[in-house]
Amino acid sequence: QQQVKQSPQSLIVQKGGISIINCAYENTAFDYFPWYQQFPGKGPALLIAIRPDVSEKKEGRFTISFNKSAKQFSLHIMDSQPGDSATYFCAAAAGSYQLTFGKGTKLSVIP
Amino acid sequence: KAGVTQTPRYLIKTRGQQVTLSCSPISGHRSVSWYQQTPGQGLQFLFEYFSETQRNKGNFPGRFSGRQFSNSRSEMNVSTLELGDSALYLCASSLRPVVNTEAFFGQGTRLTVV
Repeated sequence: QQQVKQSPQSLIVQKGGISIINCAYENTAFDYFPWYQQFPGKGPALLIAIRPDVSEKKEGRFTISFNKSAKQFSLHIMDSQPGDSATYFCAAAAGSYQLTFGKGTKLSVIP
Repeated sequence: KAGVTQTPRYLIKTRGQQVTLSCSPISGHRSVSWYQQTPGQGLQFLFEYFSETQRNKGNFPGRFSGRQFSNSRSEMNVSTLELGDSALYLCASSLRPVVNTEAFFGQGTRLTVV
């Protein structure tokens, strides 16, 4: 099973708040978990990625938390800003095989 | 450096026609992947090419085909277009086969089938 399940479908957060997006997977062969950010009219851009040998990775305001036993990973956006308003996709891949994407979360950060 | 370039940006075609989309990867990148993005299904993998060879193929009908040239540029073709083929088609390039290195996406080609 290649599916990656992402939730919530949409998210509204106040400026300065924490945005949390969750993903779950079934395929235990997955060993690469990136998050992509997509603005309207643009292609997805890699935000941050993690491999299963670490439980957390932080880059600026963006943090990935990874729980291998639960087969879940999540994206936390601290101090969310209106400029973070975009659609976020989690993805997973096994070895050098293609990325399997979640269906996306539309984040709106309101002032 | 220049990013991934996809042409054309927008296309309107009629049912039954065929269409060819083009993708020029980042200079030096040899791997190109294609994805279909729709509101209902999200991003779905079509196929991946590396050094002119198709490495992987997604679960799409044979009407969807692609190829890669010696300069790493890639084209995808959709024959006998159906209304359901309306989507944003995205191309991603990477140095090596997809997940060994970061994949960079183009802005996509918006295909509308009427």
